[in-house]
Amino acid sequence: SQELEQSPQSLIVQEGKNLTINCTSSKTLYGLYWYKQKYGEGLIFLMMLQKGGEEKSHEKITAKLDEKKQQSSLHITASQPSHAGIYLCGALHGSSNTGKLIFGQGTTLQVKP
Amino acid sequence: NAGVTQTPKFQVLKTGQSMTLQCAQDMNHEYMSWYRQDPGMGLRLIHYSVGAGITDQGEVPNGYNVSRSTTEDFPLRLLSAAPSQTSVYFCASSYGVGVSSLHFGNGTRLTVT
Repeated sequence: SQELEQSPQSLIVQEGKNLTINCTSSKTLYGLYWYKQKYGEGLIFLMMLQKGGEEKSHEKITAKLDEKKQQSSLHITASQPSHAGIYLCGALHGSSNTGKLIFGQGTTLQVKP
Repeated sequence: NAGVTQTPKFQVLKTGQSMTLQCAQDMNHEYMSWYRQDPGMGLRLIHYSVGAGITDQGEVPNGYNVSRSTTEDFPLRLLSAAPSQTSVYFCASSYGVGVSSLHFGNGTRLTVT
């Protein structure tokens, strides 16, 4: 969706390197979700951010929400081949129960051993 | 719990044929939705439902119909398939949008020739 832009669209990193994926919204964010997808499979929920300045971590993945900038970033520390896949951000642009969860176009990550 | 179950996993249709993609969840989730995933375009919302008897259009509803007669089921109907509907379709559900994450099915890969 053009309402939600992810950058970069694709990324190739060497194992052990850090990386950041950005998700920028053209509208006010009421919630921001990060998902990971392996090729040919469904989406796996990573994290949900709802408040400006909120930061969450799971293992080596950290996500932050900058509400004023209408932007979220996903940072992976010391990347591993298991981190490879497609990362998608999803956003609520209406109030919490409008039902329209919109996704960005995804960022494809390859990690070279 | 089975979670979100989609059937079939693969389907090939000829232009003009009709079919229904099935989606069922056993988590008593109020919210259900259908997305299509195309290369470079991420997930695009087709239709969604915030409860039994209630449906609404997403970003790309044309060519698709839905109904929600029960909490558990949310079928997606293609009345007259077109090659532009070749895609991977995902069904998702959640307790309530904005308060929890979406649970995704494993997808249906549809090819229209």
